[in-house]
Amino acid sequence: GAVVSQHPSWVICKSGTSVKIECRSLDFQATTMFWYRQFPKQSLMLMATSNEGSKATYEQGVEKDKFLINHASLTLSTLTVTSAHPEDSSFYICSASRGRQNTEAFFGQGTRLTVV
Amino acid sequence: AQSVSQHNHHVILSEAASLELGCNYSYGGTVNLFWYVQYPGQHLQLLLKYFSGDPLVKGIKGFEAEFIKSKFSFNLRKPSVQWSDTAEYFCAVRGNNRLAFGKGNQVVVIP
Repeated sequence: GAVVSQHPSWVICKSGTSVKIECRSLDFQATTMFWYRQFPKQSLMLMATSNEGSKATYEQGVEKDKFLINHASLTLSTLTVTSAHPEDSSFYICSASRGRQNTEAFFGQGTRLTVV
Repeated sequence: AQSVSQHNHHVILSEAASLELGCNYSYGGTVNLFWYVQYPGQHLQLLLKYFSGDPLVKGIKGFEAEFIKSKFSFNLRKPSVQWSDTAEYFCAVRGNNRLAFGKGNQVVVIP
């Protein structure tokens, strides 16, 4: 299967600072990438869908100014958590797909963000 | 936007028992359907997928799922589970370029 790499896998930052998480498709071109947030013992909550070269589509209730998503190339998408606060502490997961339909999405290993 | 429902969040069963996990979704358009498994401390792995064609889909590790369009369901089954099937199982539905997940089923298989 295709490989999706997420970096960093674990980050601690101070409250008020910004953190960038990278999601790379290593051996395929990802037309679409999805960003999720997973709380302990809960499911994956879709935050936004990004298509290469266009603005991300955010889910209802997700602040686009706080969670900046950039998908500038077919192999890289980034999620920047701006002015992070302790309530932003969570597990963030990306997935990448070759197309918009009839294709599988492959998942990164996730990033554990802790804001202190 | 589509939503995905999984019931019976915690399932405990003995080895060799049969497993069935329900998944229902709400979306009237064309969908792609998936079941993922997450073993403790590991990434999500794809068990099986449905795009079109035969509604009975066979996946890895002896799992299968049946798409019933009229019921908006995509239930997962395995006739005889093993201890190694202890994991969390997620149903996911892709429609309108969104990939949404259900709440998951925590399955524990007792040896």
